[in-house]
Amino acid sequence: EAQVTQNPRYLITVTGKKLTVTCSQNMNHEYMSWYRQDPGLGLRQIYYSMNVEVTDKGDVPEGYKVSRKEKRNFPLILESPSPNQTSLYFCASSFLGGRGVMNTEAFFGQGTRLTVV
Amino acid sequence: AQTVTQSQPEMSVQEAETVTLSCTYDTSESNYYLFWYKQPPSRQMILVIRQEAYKQQNATENRFSVNFQKAAKSFSLKISDSQLGDTAMYFCAFMKHTGTASKLTFGTGTRLQVTL
Repeated sequence: EAQVTQNPRYLITVTGKKLTVTCSQNMNHEYMSWYRQDPGLGLRQIYYSMNVEVTDKGDVPEGYKVSRKEKRNFPLILESPSPNQTSLYFCASSFLGGRGVMNTEAFFGQGTRLTVV
Repeated sequence: AQTVTQSQPEMSVQEAETVTLSCTYDTSESNYYLFWYKQPPSRQMILVIRQEAYKQQNATENRFSVNFQKAAKSFSLKISDSQLGDTAMYFCAFMKHTGTASKLTFGTGTRLQVTL
């Protein structure tokens, strides 16, 4: 089954304790991306990756890191989480069309509800 | 930068009735895609329908259809014969057609409640 898998689904942590949210896709997609969803703000892009070892900042990258060492995995790293990073996080992936244009359908993971106290 | 506006934070409709969710966007691009995503209580993001800006014909997927007005930069979603399972948050989203860094820009969402 084609899917994007995020882990964990729920996470409560304390301020300053490093954490990683994993994302894995089994569709051989080049493009992967992280979003955060906050009430009244919709989904905003944190980071994205066009392919292995190619990553770039989205709209709200502060406080986050990513890596893309393998095509299927795109972990989101919070080196020193703060309460303002409490949010619902989504990983998404898709094929890249010609000339770097993203294929029109993005597949989303199930979401990770993160609470930082 | 592109912006997407959903001016209806919440809507309610009775089962079997028709409801229209509004979306407007602002862009200087001429080629782009527009999407409606559904997010039920399970939080899963589900693609409902998409529209390519160069296509004049409005997209339709079963009970879901759009009214795409390119000049007005409007992209509304019509749900016909509403069902209880349509209860969800609905997000309108925009994506540029060209460029090396494509991303989805989302609106703030409309929470739809379908009632008996």
